[in-house]
Amino acid sequence: GNSVTQMEGPVTLSEEAFLTINCTYTATGYPSLFWYVQYPGEGLQLLLKATKADDKGSNKGFEATYRKETTSFHLEKGSVQVSDSAVYFCALLNNAGNMLTFGGGTRLMVKP
Amino acid sequence: KAGVTQTPRYLIKTRGQQVTLSCSPISGHRSVSWYQQTPGQGLQFLFEYFSETQRNKGNFPGRFSGRQFSNSRSEMNVSTLELGDSALYLCASSPEGSARGETQYFGPGTRLLVL
Repeated sequence: GNSVTQMEGPVTLSEEAFLTINCTYTATGYPSLFWYVQYPGEGLQLLLKATKADDKGSNKGFEATYRKETTSFHLEKGSVQVSDSAVYFCALLNNAGNMLTFGGGTRLMVKP
Repeated sequence: KAGVTQTPRYLIKTRGQQVTLSCSPISGHRSVSWYQQTPGQGLQFLFEYFSETQRNKGNFPGRFSGRQFSNSRSEMNVSTLELGDSALYLCASSPEGSARGETQYFGPGTRLLVL
């Protein structure tokens, strides 16, 4: 079956540091890939997505590139802010388009 | 457009009781999915409904059930509650739930505590 593995946290960074959160997946076919973010006490918000190999998703300074050869979708940001502190989830959408499989989540803490 | 809404936001129940959670999707969205989030198991898929039909189901016992109404609103029910059912239950909606790359939009969740 499908699975997603992402680096365990927490990841603690100083403001303006570079961020990388690793995500790899196992799936049949060519799934679409997503990053969601969850702030305390809230649901999930879509951060970015990519639907095919070599696509780059980007939003709010975050980027991730769909790498089919390494089955990866690593999240990056050049300069994090305190307001980026949250839990980040990598996910893939099944081929039928109706079920997301999530990684375990990575908590990011950004210190001023 | 209003987002996905879930009611109630918080619930406290005791073991053996049953509970019904409600989800209203974004207007025009016809697919509704449910997920359970716990510290130990993370985010797990429960089921997905489209046009009042369950199209996909995760690996949960039969105590977990759901339904969808003609206006696309959905409910999920958990019978004979167990302590391990304590979780955040998230609902997500998407336009069709069958298109490549289609985004699922999540509600704020219902936090269920079973005592």
